[in-house]
Amino acid sequence: GAVVSQHPSWVICKSGTSVKIECRSLDFQATTMFWYRQFPKQSLMLMATSNEGSKATYEQGVEKDKFLINHASLTLSTLTVTSAHPEDSSFYICSARDVTGGTEAFFGQGTRLTVV
Amino acid sequence: AQSVTQPDIHITVSEGASLELRCNYSYGATPYLFWYVQSPGQGLQLLLKYFSGDTLVQGIKGFEAEFKRSQSSFNLRKPSVHWSDAAEYFCAVVPNSGGYQKVTFGTGTKLQVIP
Repeated sequence: GAVVSQHPSWVICKSGTSVKIECRSLDFQATTMFWYRQFPKQSLMLMATSNEGSKATYEQGVEKDKFLINHASLTLSTLTVTSAHPEDSSFYICSARDVTGGTEAFFGQGTRLTVV
Repeated sequence: AQSVTQPDIHITVSEGASLELRCNYSYGATPYLFWYVQSPGQGLQLLLKYFSGDTLVQGIKGFEAEFKRSQSSFNLRKPSVHWSDAAEYFCAVVPNSGGYQKVTFGTGTKLQVIP
């Protein structure tokens, strides 16, 4: 299957700083990428849909100024957690769909964010 | 409202025993159905998917799932569980309606395998 690379896989940052997470489709192009957040022992919650060349679509309750999403190319989307707080500590996962079609979404390996 | 339910939060089976993980969905029409596996601290790996056709689908790692329209279910099965199968399993659905399709995940079932 197609490969989605997420970087970094683990990050620790201080409160008040910003953290950028990258999601890359390595062997396919993705006009749409998705960002999920997973709380401990819970399912994945869709945060936003990232569209190449346009603004992201955020789910209800997700602060767009807090979680900045940029999808500048067909292979890269970034999620920036701005002014991070301990409550932002979580596991963030991205997924991407191939532009050539298909409903299957391929997932990155996730990023464990810890804010101290 | 559209929803995906995995009734079992945690299941423990003995190695070599059979396994069935339950998944029920509530949608207006039959959606696309998926099962993913997540190992600790890892992303999600697709086990299998159902779009249409044969209601019994085969996946990787010896898993299979059966779509039952009358029960709105898509249960995951494996005849003989291996210790390496211990992980969390998520059922997911995507509306079969074309255009933008949001993936909705169930709450997950954590599988523990004992010797």
